[in-house]
Amino acid sequence: ETGVTQTPRHLVMGMTNKKSLKCEQHLGHNAMYWYKQSAKKPLELMFVYSLEERVENNSVPSRFSPECPNSSHLFLHLHTLQPEDSALYLCASSQEAYETQYFGPGTRLLVL
Amino acid sequence: AQSVAQPEDQVNVAEGNPLTVKCTYSVSGNPYLFWYVQYPNRGLQFLLKYITGDNLVKGSYGFEAEFNKSQTSFHLKKPSALVSDSALYFCAVRDGSADSWGKLQFGSGTQVVVTP
Repeated sequence: ETGVTQTPRHLVMGMTNKKSLKCEQHLGHNAMYWYKQSAKKPLELMFVYSLEERVENNSVPSRFSPECPNSSHLFLHLHTLQPEDSALYLCASSQEAYETQYFGPGTRLLVL
Repeated sequence: AQSVAQPEDQVNVAEGNPLTVKCTYSVSGNPYLFWYVQYPNRGLQFLLKYITGDNLVKGSYGFEAEFNKSQTSFHLKKPSALVSDSALYFCAVRDGSADSWGKLQFGSGTQVVVTP
């Protein structure tokens, strides 16, 4: 494994629910990322954190809210999602923001 | 702006034959190029990267890639494919500027199918 874990691995939620995705890296890295992977579409970068500071918000709707309490943990808080938000959400980390990224296994999200 | 293209949605190859997965890129500065592999229901695994130096880069699981600046290509190769190499392969590029915050541009992916 890569040293990046994500929980839960699968999540089903209704459009009115609130849930959170968790990512933890055990590599001592300083940068963390959230990506969205939808079928038939390239990976979409959502957020980038460097030293716990958000440095990139790639025009993501406000129903997605990231949180990085320390350099090892990254959360993605979800509320009032839409069915088109169903996708695989991948977390990644890198030593610094411009170095090789290592990915977690992803959370498969289904919004009903 | 940066972009990357993987012209083949799927590559089929018989086990034991050479495997090539194509990638071309466009970037304004110096390219940092990466290959990742994704197995079903898994995240992306790093295979190899080119930053600078020798144009032929060797990576994990017997894979290698050749950087060709004139053709702006970074094709992934393996001399003898295994059934276990069947997976989705992603090429990615980023501008070598340190202020791009690690922003990788991923290709759309190429599904590799290796038949026994």
